[in-house]
Amino acid sequence: RKEVEQDPGPFNVPEGATVAFNCTYSNSASQSFFWYRQDCRKEPKLLMSVYSSGNEDGRFTAQLNRASQYISLLIRDSKLSDSATYLCVVNPGHTGGFKTIFGAGTRLFVKA
Amino acid sequence: SQTIHQWPATLVQPVGSPLSLECTVEGTSNPNLYWYRQAAGRGLQLLFYSVGIGQISSEVPQNLSASRPQDRQFILSSKKLLLSDSGFYLCAWRFRRYLENTEAFFGQGTRLTVV
Repeated sequence: RKEVEQDPGPFNVPEGATVAFNCTYSNSASQSFFWYRQDCRKEPKLLMSVYSSGNEDGRFTAQLNRASQYISLLIRDSKLSDSATYLCVVNPGHTGGFKTIFGAGTRLFVKA
Repeated sequence: SQTIHQWPATLVQPVGSPLSLECTVEGTSNPNLYWYRQAAGRGLQLLFYSVGIGQISSEVPQNLSASRPQDRQFILSSKKLLLSDSGFYLCAWRFRRYLENTEAFFGQGTRLTVV
Protein backbone atom coordinates (compact mmCIF):
# COMPACT_ATOMS: atom_id res chain seq x y z
CA ARG A 1 0.00 0.00 0.00
CA LYS A 2 1.29 3.44 -0.92
CA GLU A 3 2.00 5.80 1.95
CA VAL A 4 -0.29 8.46 0.49
CA GLU A 5 -3.02 7.76 -2.07
CA GLN A 6 -5.28 10.17 -3.87
CA ASP A 7 -8.27 10.07 -6.18
CA PRO A 8 -6.78 9.48 -9.62
CA GLY A 9 -8.78 12.15 -11.48
CA PRO A 10 -8.90 14.02 -13.72
CA PHE A 11 -11.93 15.92 -12.54
CA ASN A 12 -13.68 17.95 -15.22
CA VAL A 13 -16.20 20.39 -13.76
CA PRO A 14 -18.05 23.49 -14.95
CA GLU A 15 -17.45 26.88 -13.41
CA GLY A 16 -19.40 27.30 -10.19
CA ALA A 17 -19.40 23.61 -9.35
CA THR A 18 -18.37 22.12 -6.03
CA VAL A 19 -15.69 19.46 -6.19
CA ALA A 20 -14.14 17.28 -3.50
CA PHE A 21 -10.85 15.41 -3.39
CA ASN A 22 -9.96 12.65 -0.97
CA CYS A 23 -6.63 11.32 0.17
CA THR A 24 -5.73 8.38 2.41
CA TYR A 25 -2.51 7.77 4.32
CA SER A 26 -1.08 4.57 5.75
CA ASN A 27 0.93 5.73 8.79
CA SER A 28 -1.48 6.22 11.69
CA ALA A 29 1.17 8.16 13.61
CA SER A 30 1.41 10.85 10.92
CA GLN A 31 1.79 14.29 12.41
CA SER A 32 0.65 16.89 9.94
CA PHE A 33 -1.18 17.24 6.68
CA PHE A 34 -1.35 19.74 3.85
CA TRP A 35 -2.83 20.39 0.45
CA TYR A 36 -0.58 21.82 -2.24
CA ARG A 37 -1.44 23.17 -5.64
CA GLN A 38 0.79 22.63 -8.66
CA ASP A 39 0.34 24.48 -11.93
CA CYS A 40 1.66 23.01 -15.15
CA ARG A 41 5.46 22.93 -15.26
CA LYS A 42 5.75 24.80 -11.96
CA GLU A 43 6.79 23.88 -8.44
CA PRO A 44 4.10 22.91 -5.91
CA LYS A 45 2.90 25.65 -3.59
CA LEU A 46 1.11 25.36 -0.29
CA LEU A 47 -2.64 25.77 -0.59
CA MET A 48 -3.57 25.12 3.02
CA SER A 49 -2.71 23.14 6.09
CA VAL A 50 -5.20 20.61 7.40
CA TYR A 51 -6.11 20.81 11.06
CA SER A 52 -7.82 18.21 13.20
CA SER A 53 -10.89 20.37 13.66
CA GLY A 54 -11.14 21.13 9.96
CA ASN A 55 -10.40 24.51 8.48
CA GLU A 56 -11.67 26.83 5.81
CA ASP A 57 -9.98 29.42 3.64
CA GLY A 58 -12.45 31.23 1.42
CA ARG A 59 -13.87 28.72 -1.04
CA PHE A 60 -11.59 25.94 0.20
CA THR A 61 -12.35 23.61 3.10
CA ALA A 62 -10.01 20.93 4.40
CA GLN A 63 -11.01 18.08 6.70
CA LEU A 64 -9.00 15.46 8.57
CA ASN A 65 -10.34 12.12 9.79
CA ARG A 66 -7.65 10.47 11.87
CA ALA A 67 -9.73 7.41 12.70
CA SER A 68 -10.17 6.56 9.02
CA GLN A 69 -6.82 8.06 8.02
CA TYR A 70 -8.01 10.33 5.27
CA ILE A 71 -8.06 14.00 4.47
CA SER A 72 -10.26 15.87 2.06
CA LEU A 73 -10.36 19.13 0.15
CA LEU A 74 -13.60 20.77 -0.91
CA ILE A 75 -13.64 23.56 -3.46
CA ARG A 76 -16.85 25.55 -3.75
CA ASP A 77 -17.87 27.82 -6.62
CA SER A 78 -15.03 26.59 -8.86
CA LYS A 79 -13.22 29.17 -10.95
CA LEU A 80 -11.32 28.68 -14.19
CA SER A 81 -8.19 29.65 -12.25
CA ASP A 82 -8.67 26.64 -9.96
CA SER A 83 -7.55 24.37 -12.81
CA ALA A 84 -4.37 22.71 -11.52
CA THR A 85 -3.10 19.55 -9.88
CA TYR A 86 -3.87 19.21 -6.18
CA LEU A 87 -1.38 17.29 -4.09
CA CYS A 88 -2.07 15.72 -0.73
CA VAL A 89 0.92 15.86 1.62
CA VAL A 90 1.65 13.97 4.83
CA ASN A 91 4.44 14.45 7.35
CA PRO A 92 4.86 11.12 9.15
CA GLY A 93 6.91 12.85 11.86
CA HIS A 94 9.82 11.24 13.65
CA THR A 95 8.29 7.76 13.20
CA GLY A 96 8.67 8.25 9.48
CA GLY A 97 12.17 9.63 9.56
CA PHE A 98 11.07 13.24 9.02
CA LYS A 99 10.02 12.56 5.46
CA THR A 100 7.48 14.66 3.61
CA ILE A 101 5.33 12.41 1.46
CA PHE A 102 3.32 13.62 -1.51
CA GLY A 103 0.40 11.90 -3.14
CA ALA A 104 0.43 11.48 -6.90
CA GLY A 105 -1.95 14.41 -7.32
CA THR A 106 -5.40 14.93 -8.74
CA ARG A 107 -5.87 16.98 -11.89
CA LEU A 108 -8.74 19.44 -11.90
CA PHE A 109 -10.04 21.08 -15.05
CA VAL A 110 -12.64 23.79 -14.62
CA LYS A 111 -14.51 24.63 -17.82
CA ALA A 112 -16.38 27.77 -18.79
CA SER B 1 12.55 35.73 5.25
CA GLN B 2 13.66 32.41 3.89
CA THR B 3 14.43 31.71 0.25
CA ILE B 4 15.49 28.64 -1.67
CA HIS B 5 17.58 28.71 -4.80
CA GLN B 6 17.84 25.85 -7.23
CA TRP B 7 19.79 25.77 -10.48
CA PRO B 8 19.94 25.35 -13.36
CA ALA B 9 16.31 25.77 -14.42
CA THR B 10 16.72 23.66 -17.54
CA LEU B 11 19.32 21.09 -18.48
CA VAL B 12 19.84 18.84 -21.48
CA GLN B 13 22.45 16.15 -20.96
CA PRO B 14 23.59 13.16 -23.04
CA VAL B 15 23.22 9.63 -21.74
CA GLY B 16 26.26 8.61 -19.71
CA SER B 17 27.22 12.14 -18.71
CA PRO B 18 27.53 13.24 -15.08
CA LEU B 19 25.00 15.40 -13.26
CA SER B 20 25.21 17.93 -10.48
CA LEU B 21 22.20 19.93 -9.30
CA GLU B 22 22.59 22.35 -6.47
CA CYS B 23 20.14 23.81 -4.01
CA THR B 24 20.76 26.38 -1.30
CA VAL B 25 18.52 27.83 1.39
CA GLU B 26 18.89 31.29 2.89
CA GLY B 27 17.42 32.84 5.97
CA THR B 28 17.22 29.79 8.21
CA SER B 29 19.48 27.24 9.83
CA ASN B 30 19.29 23.48 10.37
CA PRO B 31 16.56 22.93 7.78
CA ASN B 32 15.37 19.52 6.66
CA LEU B 33 16.22 19.26 2.97
CA TYR B 34 14.62 17.13 0.26
CA TRP B 35 15.10 16.12 -3.36
CA TYR B 36 12.06 15.02 -5.36
CA ARG B 37 11.65 13.93 -8.96
CA GLN B 38 8.50 14.27 -11.00
CA ALA B 39 8.20 12.39 -14.26
CA ALA B 40 5.95 13.91 -16.93
CA GLY B 41 2.33 13.74 -15.80
CA ARG B 42 3.20 11.94 -12.59
CA GLY B 43 3.40 12.70 -8.87
CA LEU B 44 6.41 13.67 -6.77
CA GLN B 45 8.78 10.86 -5.90
CA LEU B 46 10.94 11.45 -2.83
CA LEU B 47 14.54 10.66 -3.73
CA PHE B 48 16.61 11.82 -0.75
CA TYR B 49 16.21 13.76 2.42
CA SER B 50 18.60 15.15 4.99
CA VAL B 51 18.18 16.26 8.59
CA GLY B 52 21.75 17.51 8.99
CA ILE B 53 25.18 17.98 7.44
CA GLY B 54 26.43 14.71 6.03
CA GLN B 55 23.18 12.89 6.93
CA ILE B 56 21.46 11.55 3.82
CA SER B 57 18.54 9.14 3.66
CA SER B 58 17.80 7.48 0.35
CA GLU B 59 14.27 6.49 -0.58
CA VAL B 60 14.74 4.88 -3.96
CA PRO B 61 17.79 2.87 -5.05
CA GLN B 62 19.04 4.20 -8.37
CA ASN B 63 22.08 5.76 -9.97
CA LEU B 64 21.63 9.07 -8.17
CA SER B 65 23.29 10.25 -4.98
CA ALA B 66 22.94 13.26 -2.73
CA SER B 67 25.27 15.16 -0.44
CA ARG B 68 24.94 17.91 2.11
CA PRO B 69 28.39 19.47 2.52
CA GLN B 70 27.04 22.54 4.34
CA ASP B 71 24.03 23.18 6.52
CA ARG B 72 22.02 24.93 3.81
CA GLN B 73 23.39 23.26 0.70
CA PHE B 74 22.00 20.11 -0.87
CA ILE B 75 23.47 18.55 -4.00
CA LEU B 76 22.04 15.87 -6.27
CA SER B 77 24.54 13.97 -8.41
CA SER B 78 24.93 11.18 -10.86
CA LYS B 79 28.07 9.69 -12.38
CA LYS B 80 26.29 8.44 -15.52
CA LEU B 81 22.84 9.59 -16.55
CA LEU B 82 20.23 7.25 -17.97
CA LEU B 83 17.34 8.15 -20.25
CA SER B 84 15.01 7.29 -17.37
CA ASP B 85 16.58 10.05 -15.27
CA SER B 86 14.72 12.67 -17.31
CA GLY B 87 12.20 14.60 -15.26
CA PHE B 88 11.47 17.63 -13.15
CA TYR B 89 13.76 17.73 -10.10
CA LEU B 90 12.61 19.72 -7.13
CA CYS B 91 14.51 20.71 -4.01
CA ALA B 92 12.53 21.56 -0.90
CA TRP B 93 13.17 22.56 2.70
CA ARG B 94 11.24 22.48 5.98
CA PHE B 95 11.85 23.97 9.38
CA ARG B 96 13.14 21.28 11.72
CA ARG B 97 10.78 21.39 14.65
CA TYR B 98 9.87 18.70 17.13
CA LEU B 99 6.18 18.63 16.34
CA GLU B 100 6.78 18.45 12.60
CA ASN B 101 3.77 20.62 11.83
CA THR B 102 5.62 22.50 9.15
CA GLU B 103 5.08 22.70 5.44
CA ALA B 104 7.69 22.24 2.73
CA PHE B 105 8.88 25.09 0.52
CA PHE B 106 10.10 24.37 -2.98
CA GLY B 107 12.69 25.73 -5.31
CA GLN B 108 11.64 26.46 -8.86
CA GLY B 109 12.87 23.11 -10.09
CA THR B 110 15.26 21.82 -12.74
CA ARG B 111 13.81 20.32 -15.88
CA LEU B 112 16.30 17.64 -16.95
CA THR B 113 16.17 15.99 -20.34
CA VAL B 114 18.56 13.15 -20.99
CA VAL B 115 19.12 12.57 -24.70
